[in-house]
Amino acid sequence: EAGVAQSPRYKIIEKRQSVAFWCNPISGHATLYWYQQILGQGPKLLIQFQNNGVVDDSQLPKDRFSAERLKGVDSTLKIQPAKLEDSAVYLCASSSLSGGGSDIQYFGAGTRLSVL
Amino acid sequence: AQSVTQPDIHITVSEGASLELRCNYSYGATPYLFWYVQSPGQGLQLLLKYFSGDTLVQGIKGFEAEFKRSQSSFNLRKPSVHWSDAAEYFCAVGPPWGSNYKLTFGKGTLLTVNP
Repeated sequence: EAGVAQSPRYKIIEKRQSVAFWCNPISGHATLYWYQQILGQGPKLLIQFQNNGVVDDSQLPKDRFSAERLKGVDSTLKIQPAKLEDSAVYLCASSSLSGGGSDIQYFGAGTRLSVL
Repeated sequence: AQSVTQPDIHITVSEGASLELRCNYSYGATPYLFWYVQSPGQGLQLLLKYFSGDTLVQGIKGFEAEFKRSQSSFNLRKPSVHWSDAAEYFCAVGPPWGSNYKLTFGKGTLLTVNP
């Protein structure tokens, strides 16, 4: 079974530029998560989708971050314009169920973003 | 609000020595508890989980964890560490129910293994 795929693996941009990350979850997984992991911190949830609907985006900085999952499968996360403090690893995860308590999240390898 | 504390930022052990990584949580009821491991440049891999029942849970790679309700702890243990165990370890908690389900992670413990 293929895991969660993310691309690119690394990205270096200058502040005020835009950037996009792509995630393809495990086949059949209904729930998809985007996390931000700043160096020295644990992952922080940015947004959670169930199929193509948003379940939780309370910690997404909506003035600059956006995400979509149009067909309920793969997803993109965009930052526009980027700030220095956006430098982090962006992790995508997916789970098979409804996102409830017993759900196991499977993580991709992440995209490491450096904003200069 | 739920929270997780991993008191040790960095731990160094010798290969073959025993290991215990600490995790304390704050939650109004018994949460679901997880330990994940992250190797350099990799995503998070689930080591083990606790939902209910036996408070000692076994995971992959020879790891185990014990849930202690009275101490609000879920410490990770391994009797004999291998060099390949060097990685960062994250404890996470999540509510056992709710439509707005969210995992909260600790800040992680970096494990260094000396030969």
